[in-house]
Amino acid sequence: DTAVSQTPKYLVTQMGNDKSIKCEQNLGHDTMYWYKQDSKKFLKIMFSYNNKELIINETVPNRFSPKSPDKAHLNLHINSLELGDSAVYFCASSPDRNTYEQYFGPGTRLTVT
Amino acid sequence: ELKVEQNPLFLSMQEGKNYTIYCNYSTTSDRLYWYRQDPGKSLESLFVLLSNGAVKQEGRLMASLDTKARLSTLHITAAVHDLSATYFCAVDRYSGGGADGLTFGKGTHLIIQP
Repeated sequence: DTAVSQTPKYLVTQMGNDKSIKCEQNLGHDTMYWYKQDSKKFLKIMFSYNNKELIINETVPNRFSPKSPDKAHLNLHINSLELGDSAVYFCASSPDRNTYEQYFGPGTRLTVT
Repeated sequence: ELKVEQNPLFLSMQEGKNYTIYCNYSTTSDRLYWYRQDPGKSLESLFVLLSNGAVKQEGRLMASLDTKARLSTLHITAAVHDLSATYFCAVDRYSGGGADGLTFGKGTHLIIQP
């Protein structure tokens, strides 16, 4: 069974569209994250959720809205997509905020044309 | 602002050679992580270093942590082609309630040539 899964794996869309990426973890973890990896492979945290509560919103445009319907899911909705949003988005989870082990999902490659 | 700096960012080396990747960070952290990423893949955890002086080894890779110098090293011994990948170091971000995600270095793109 996949520990952290993301759908879709690839997403190609046009500027101005709205899209969502879904993340699910079956590890029973309390904390989930979204990271963005740009074309230069720089990885940067976007959001952190603990027990469905937003902990970090790391200067991300408000076109990005995470939603955690339950502890096992953290979805990312993006409005009015821009070319600069093209990147690979990784979901990750950890048992709690103080546990060091983070488990990363396979990534979603978003291409905005 | 927490900064994590890796060097070199790009490294091409021959099989059989030894080399070291350096990771400097700006915060007082006792924990440091090394990840490997193959092209088009996710991040694979290599090492978790939890205290000053920690040293961990796995095959041809050895990682160490000096929290006083805020420096970690990833040493490659007798490199083989299969170690070609991008290597990232990362440290915890801390807020009031605990560690909230990781801050990554820019990654070291390692190519090992026969």
